[in-house]
Amino acid sequence: EAGVAQSPRYKIIEKRQSVAFWCNPISGHATLYWYQQILGQGPKLLIQFQNNGVVDDSQLPKDRFSAERLKGVDSTLKIQPAKLEDSAVYLCASSFSEDTQYFGPGTRLTVL
Amino acid sequence: GENVEQHPSTLSVQEGDSAVIKCTYSDSASNYFPWYKQELGKRPQLIIDIRSNVGEKKDQRIAVTLNKTAKHFSLHITETQPEDSAVYFCAASGHNQGGKLIFGQGTELSVKP
Repeated sequence: EAGVAQSPRYKIIEKRQSVAFWCNPISGHATLYWYQQILGQGPKLLIQFQNNGVVDDSQLPKDRFSAERLKGVDSTLKIQPAKLEDSAVYLCASSFSEDTQYFGPGTRLTVL
Repeated sequence: GENVEQHPSTLSVQEGDSAVIKCTYSDSASNYFPWYKQELGKRPQLIIDIRSNVGEKKDQRIAVTLNKTAKHFSLHITETQPEDSAVYFCAASGHNQGGKLIFGQGTELSVKP
């Protein structure tokens, strides 16, 4: 079984630029999560999708972050404009329902 | 909302010794408690989990215990090996939280040969 795929693996941008991350969950997993992991901390949930609907986006900074999962499979997370404090690893995870979550390799974002 | 506290933040043991990491949670409605292992630069990997209808679960050298009354759960690793060195995260979630995981701050475990 293929795992959660993410791209790119690394991204370096200047502050105020925009960036987008892509996630492909495990086949058949209806629930998809985006987490932000700042160095030395545990992952923090940004947004949760059930199929193509948003379940929880209470921790998403909506003035600069957006995410979509239009066809209920792949998802993209966008930051525009980026700030220095957005430097982190962005992890995508998926689960069959509200159950065991499997993580992708993450995208390491550096904002200069 | 849910809050998860994890201790210690760093733990150093000799190969062959046991390691224990403890977590406490605040929301009594939480009913699912996974543990993830994260090696440097890699994805978090689920190593064991426990649900609130069970007090203890074991998988080879790894065990997790849950005390619902006290709202704490612990990870026990016996006969530690150098390859156990990593950062370990506990987490908690519940059905009324939509499966959302709240993570602890992590414990960096170092196993010295």
